[in-house]
Amino acid sequence: DAGVIQSPRHEVTEMGQEVTLRCKPISGHNSLFWYRQTMMRGLELLIYFNNNVPIDDSGMPEDRFSAKMPNASFSTLKIQPSEPRDSAVYFCASSSPSLLDTQYFGPGTRLTVL
Amino acid sequence: DAKTTQPNSMESNEEEPVHLPCNHSTISGTDYIHWYRQLPSQGPEYVIHGLTSNVNNRMASLAIAEDRKSSTLILHRATLRDAAVYYCIRNQAGTALIFGKGTTLSVSS
Repeated sequence: DAGVIQSPRHEVTEMGQEVTLRCKPISGHNSLFWYRQTMMRGLELLIYFNNNVPIDDSGMPEDRFSAKMPNASFSTLKIQPSEPRDSAVYFCASSSPSLLDTQYFGPGTRLTVL
Repeated sequence: DAKTTQPNSMESNEEEPVHLPCNHSTISGTDYIHWYRQLPSQGPEYVIHGLTSNVNNRMASLAIAEDRKSSTLILHRATLRDAAVYYCIRNQAGTALIFGKGTTLSVSS
């Protein structure tokens, strides 16, 4: 299995631009999670989906952030407009109930907003 | 709120055992205890989990106190590759994992 796939691995953009991060979960997993990691705040859960439905988005910082999961094999996290404080590493993870919530993380996307 | 307490950092020598403690004094009867670790520049990876009994796998052992208010992750022989941030997490099945700050483990040769 290829594991969780994230793209791009690195993104550098200017303040005000739209940024779209992509995630392909492990085939057969029905839960998908988006996290953000910074030195100051550590690893924060932004949103998670179960069977393509958003279950908890209380971690999404503000309306500039949105996430979608149109099907079981693809999810996006969009930031519009981006700000320098959004600079972080964004991780996607997936899990299956048969594995008792064991989460498998992707390699992350390092976002830098100038 | 991570709901667990871990030391900020620990040090070990290569090939020695490492005991990483975690306090979860407010744990409920249905909460599982999970351990993940994050190697430098990588995403977190699963290490082990348990409910009441001690658990062993190829990576580590998990010792859970009888009252379940604390647990210890045991690396039997530390290697340089084990240098990472180790996260202890408690959660109920079907809910999201909430990561705290974890313990940064340094391993010296």
